[in-house]
Amino acid sequence: EPEVTQTPSHQVTQMGQEVILRCVPISNHLYFYWYRQILGQKVEFLVSFYNNEISEKSEIFDDQFSVERPDGSNFTLKIRSTKLEDSAMYFCASSRGRTSLTDTQYFGPGTRLTVL
Amino acid sequence: AQSVTQLGSHVSVSEGALVLLRCNYSSSVPPYLFWYVQYPNQGLQLLLKYTSAATLVKGINGFEAEFKKSETSFHLTKPSAHMSDAAEYFCAVSDPWNRDDKIIFGKGTRLHILP
Repeated sequence: EPEVTQTPSHQVTQMGQEVILRCVPISNHLYFYWYRQILGQKVEFLVSFYNNEISEKSEIFDDQFSVERPDGSNFTLKIRSTKLEDSAMYFCASSRGRTSLTDTQYFGPGTRLTVL
Repeated sequence: AQSVTQLGSHVSVSEGALVLLRCNYSSSVPPYLFWYVQYPNQGLQLLLKYTSAATLVKGINGFEAEFKKSETSFHLTKPSAHMSDAAEYFCAVSDPWNRDDKIIFGKGTRLHILP
C-alpha cells in the first residue's frame, strides 16, 4: 500500500541553524500538509499546499518557515533559523483531494526535530 | 472555531474488555470527524471518519464510533480489546467548508491493555 515517507526520522540541530525536513507524498496526491506536535501537546496544523502554492497557513507558520515542492515528488519544510521552541515532531500528510467520503489525509511517520 | 476534547489522557482496559475512548467536539457547522491511531515510532493512521453519511462509522481493526449530534460526541469503541490495540488515539475535526482543509486534533488518549 502506498505511504507517505519522511526523512530524516530524527534531526538534531543547533539553535539558529537552518533545517530542511523532507517528505515524499503518495504519488497521485495533489494536496500536501505539514503538522507538528510539541512533546506532550496537540498535533497542530502548520500549512497546506496545493497547485504549487500555499493554500493556508497557521499563526505558527511565520517568516522562518517555508515549504517547497522542488521536483514533483518531494515536499519540503524549511526552518531558516531554528529556535528551541521549534523542537517537535513534524508530520507530513497528503491527500488526493479535499477530505470527503472517499478522500482523506494520509500521514507520514514524522521527523523528530531537536534544537539544542 | 472548531475543537475536540478527549476525556482521559490515559485509559487502561483488560484484554478482552470493552474499549471506550471519549471525544466531544465543538463546531459551528456540521463537521467531519476522525479517529487516528499512533503506534510507537509510527505515523498517524486513520482508524475511521465521519463525513455526514451514516452516524455509526465502522473502521479498521474492529473499531467503530458513533456521531451523536445531541451530545456533540464521537466516542470510539471496540467490543474486545487486544494487546495490539495499545497505542495513542487522537480524535480530530475538520470543517468541510473551510478552504484549508486542516484537521484539528485533540490531545490524545493513550490506551493501555492489561493482560
